[in-house]
Amino acid sequence: DAKTTQPNSMESNEEEPVHLPCNHSTISGTDYIHWYRQLPSQGPEYVIHGLTSNVNNRMASLAIAEDRKSSTLILHRATLRDAAVYYCILIGQNFVFGPGTRLSVLP
Amino acid sequence: DTGVSQDPRHKITKRGQNVTFRCDPISEHNRLYWYRQTLGQGPEFLTYFQNEAQLEKSRLLSDRFSAERPKGSFSTLEIQRTEQGDSAMYLCASSLSDGPQPQHFGDGTRLSIL
Repeated sequence: DAKTTQPNSMESNEEEPVHLPCNHSTISGTDYIHWYRQLPSQGPEYVIHGLTSNVNNRMASLAIAEDRKSSTLILHRATLRDAAVYYCILIGQNFVFGPGTRLSVLP
Repeated sequence: DTGVSQDPRHKITKRGQNVTFRCDPISEHNRLYWYRQTLGQGPEFLTYFQNEAQLEKSRLLSDRFSAERPKGSFSTLEIQRTEQGDSAMYLCASSLSDGPQPQHFGDGTRLSIL
């Protein structure tokens, strides 16, 4: 299974941008990069996904490296409600979540 | 969109008992997924269905685990002869099947084995 690597934790100040990195050096050509986040006692929530090009939606932006071996989730202005565990996963034939990055947002 | 619904939210049972969880997906979604999540870990994929067909079940943790989706709508996950190590959160998700569609998750069933 193609795997992803993320930092265990990150910290940000409220209203500042946050860049959450993900490495996926074994990605295959047909794997999509998906990001989810999970608040305590809730199921994961879809954030954004992409294949090759950078993507924007109302929640975040996704920047994908040209070789597709890494990507970055960008939260443009972090709020306290963005504090969560963020998962980067590759969707192809399998659905493998790593332990994710725990984002803390400081007021 | 009423979201993915899971029942029960919490289940406490004694070791050796059988348990069954139910998942109701978003109505127009034809894919349904089951995951297990233990404390501090990401969700671990177990199995998935497209309509009533179970397309992947090799990741089910043992032959004590089984899942069904008999009419292509709701699904059940059964664990027979529960063990202490089965204590976890069991998550269900659903999606459309066209392309790499986002999965919509329920809030899970938390299983505690006494």
